Amino acid sequence: DAGVIQSPRHEVTEMGQEVTLRCKPISGHNSLFWYRQTMMRGLELLIYFNNNVPIDDSGMPEDRFSAKMPNASFSTLKIQPSEPRDSAVYFCASTDRGTAGEQYFGPGTRLTVT
Amino acid sequence: EDKVVQSPLSLVVHEGDTVTLNCSYEVTNFRSLLWYKQEKKAPTFLFMLTSSGIEKKSGRLSSILDKKELFSILNITATQTGDSAVYLCAVDNYGQNFVFGPGTRLSVLP
Repeated sequence: DAGVIQSPRHEVTEMGQEVTLRCKPISGHNSLFWYRQTMMRGLELLIYFNNNVPIDDSGMPEDRFSAKMPNASFSTLKIQPSEPRDSAVYFCASTDRGTAGEQYFGPGTRLTVT
Repeated sequence: EDKVVQSPLSLVVHEGDTVTLNCSYEVTNFRSLLWYKQEKKAPTFLFMLTSSGIEKKSGRLSSILDKKELFSILNITATQTGDSAVYLCAVDNYGQNFVFGPGTRLSVLP
């Protein structure tokens, strides 16, 4: 398996633009997590899905952030409009909730909003 | 509120030293505790602990869990510069989510 796949790996955009981050979880995993990591705040859970259904989005900073999981093999995190304070590394992770297993992290998307 | 606390937050040692990293937790429905190492990229898995008192070992790294006192330690013996990283502790809150601690930033000097 190729592991969790994220794209793009780097994104530089101007304030006000829409940003879409993409994630493909490991095949067979039924839970998917979106995290944001900054030096100041560490690793923060934004939202997670079980069987494609959003379970907890209390970590989503505000209405500018939205996430979807239309099927078991694809998820998006969208920021519209983006702001400089959204600059961070965004990680996607997946796991099989049927077992007490680890989370597998994707390589992350480094987002810079100027 | 579910919480994972790590200490120290930052640690600087010299090669050859032994270090102990601490993780304590309060969660509503504990299933397992996980340790990750994060260098410049994504966190990579080190250990998963589900039972008290059973040491997990991998080379110079070892970890143990105390479910009564709600903590875990990660030991690294004979540290090397390649051990420099942020070490993250996370708790699988069964049926809920994974709760991560702030991490311990370890710097190993030559």
